Parts: sequence; C-alpha cells; structure tokens
Amino acid sequence: KAGVTQTPRYLIKTRGQQVTLSCSPISGHRSVSWYQQTPGQGLQFLFEYFSETQRNKGNFPGRFSGRQFSNSRSEMNVSTLELGDSALYLCASSLVGANEQFFGPGTRLTVL
Amino acid sequence: GIQVEQSPPDLILQEGANSTLRCNFSDSVNNLQWFHQNPWGQLINLFYIPSGTKQNGRLSATTVATERYSLLYISSSQTTDSGVYFCAAVDYGQNFVFGPGTRLSVLP
Repeated sequence: KAGVTQTPRYLIKTRGQQVTLSCSPISGHRSVSWYQQTPGQGLQFLFEYFSETQRNKGNFPGRFSGRQFSNSRSEMNVSTLELGDSALYLCASSLVGANEQFFGPGTRLTVL
Repeated sequence: GIQVEQSPPDLILQEGANSTLRCNFSDSVNNLQWFHQNPWGQLINLFYIPSGTKQNGRLSATTVATERYSLLYISSSQTTDSGVYFCAAVDYGQNFVFGPGTRLSVLP
C-alpha cells in the first residue's frame, strides 16, 4: 500500500506571496492532519480534516487554511507569506482522527 | 490542552549501549505514538501504544496511562538509530500534541 505523499517537496517563495501544498493520504484513510515544524517551536498541529470537514484547528492565524476533497486528498494554503512561515510542513493520515497516524515526507518551505 | 514533555533532551551513546527515553503527559490521553525523525525530516512510526508494552526488534515501549508516562527502550544501539525521537499524545479533543523530542547521537 502506498504511503502518504506530499507535493512539492521543496518550495522557495518571497514574502507576500501565497503557497498551496498538497497531501495524498494512504488509500482508505479519511483523516488528514497538517503540522508545522520549526527549530524554535517544534512540531505544531495546524488542522485536521475528516470527510471534507475541518474537525480541529490549532492556534495559527487565518492566513493558514486548508481543505479536503472527496477522495480524501488535502491541500493547505498559506497567504501573505512571512519569513516566519519558513518551515517543514508535514501531513499525516489515519483511518479516523485519534487512530495511528502515518506521516508523509514533508514539504520544506523557504520564504525569502 | 495537554502538555507533553520528553527527557532527556539530548543523549550521546557509544554503539552497543542501551538507552531509555521518557515521555510524560499532563492529562489522560486517547492515544500515544513514538516516532523517529530521520535526517531528511521523515517521521517514521515506531509504536502506537496507548497502554501496555510492545516490542519490535531492538526497540520496545511501555505506556502506563494511569501514571501518565511512556518509555522507549533502545537496546544495542547502532549509528543508524541516531536522530530525533518524538512522542505524541492525542487528547480527547483529538488533537495530536508532540513533545519537544530527544536528540540521540550514537557514536561508532
């Protein structure tokens, strides 16, 4: 069974731009969660989607948003990028939210 | 929400040595997982262990939910075990909360 995939793997943007990251979960998994990892803040939960609905949201500004499609694939969007948004963005999938989570390889975003 | 702590923050071992990593959580949890993050950033599942004890080769884990801690044991460590080990707990709001990690360096 294929694992969680994320695209793109690397991305360089400039301040003020917006970015969209994509995540394809393991086949059959309906929950997709997103995390931001930075050296200063560690791994922080962004949001979780289940059956196309956002079920939980972390403590991030409204510039961070996401959505989930009917095939469970998910995208997250960051608008008006700031230097502090430079991070590794990780996506995880599970059968349902509290079950075992499996992570993708991440997208490394650099904001210049 | 719950707080997750890990100790020690850093650990340096000689190849072949054994180690114990600890994860404390502040409240009842629905789930607990251990991960190993490789140098490329990939989080690799080690254990899904809300309670009890599991073993997988040289690694084993124990979670005592009533006392709010989990332990990860690494025996006969190898250089490939180097990296950062995270525990993550799910509270009943179903948010995954990660600890700050233990950075392990295994020297040849």
